[in-house]
Amino acid sequence: DAGVIQSPRHEVTEMGQEVTLRCKPISGHDYLFWYRQTMMRGLELLIYFNNNVPIDDSGMPEDRFSAKMPNASFSTLKIQPSEPRDSAVYFCASSGPWTGTHGYTFGSGTRLTVV
Amino acid sequence: TQLLEQSPQFLSIQEGENLTVYCNSSSVFSSLQWYRQEPGEGPVLLVTVVTGGEVKKLKRLTFQFGDARKDSSLHITAAQPGDTGLYLCAGAHNNNDMRFGAGTRLTVKP
Repeated sequence: DAGVIQSPRHEVTEMGQEVTLRCKPISGHDYLFWYRQTMMRGLELLIYFNNNVPIDDSGMPEDRFSAKMPNASFSTLKIQPSEPRDSAVYFCASSGPWTGTHGYTFGSGTRLTVV
Repeated sequence: TQLLEQSPQFLSIQEGENLTVYCNSSSVFSSLQWYRQEPGEGPVLLVTVVTGGEVKKLKRLTFQFGDARKDSSLHITAAQPGDTGLYLCAGAHNNNDMRFGAGTRLTVKP
């Protein structure tokens, strides 16, 4: 398996533009998580899905952020409009049903810079 | 405020030294995991501890879960430059929702 695949690896955009981050989880994993990592706040859980259904989106910062999972092999995280304070590394992770014992598999992340 | 507090925040040592990093919380966890993250990559799972008082060893790394399942430690013996990275602990209250600490950034100098 190729692991969790995220794209793009790097994204530089201007304030006010729409940004879409993409994630392909490991085949057979039924949980998908979006995290944001900054030096100040560390790894923050934004939202997670189980069987393509959003379970907890309480970490989504505000209405400018939205996430979808149209099928078991694809998810997007969209920011519209983007702001400089959204600059961070965004990680996608997936897991099987026993996250507490088997852990997450993370992608390599998307480094987002909003100027 | 972090649910999981990790200490120290930064640690720089010479190759061959021993070290211990800590992960503490006021909450009880059903399980706790340790990850290592290298620059430009996502965190990679090292170990999961489930039972209070549990000790697990992974080569030169020793992980311990506190008796009350609120804290954990990671001890590295004879550190090597390849151990350099960000060490993250993550706790689960249920089986699927993991919360991460801010991490300990370890540098091992040759």
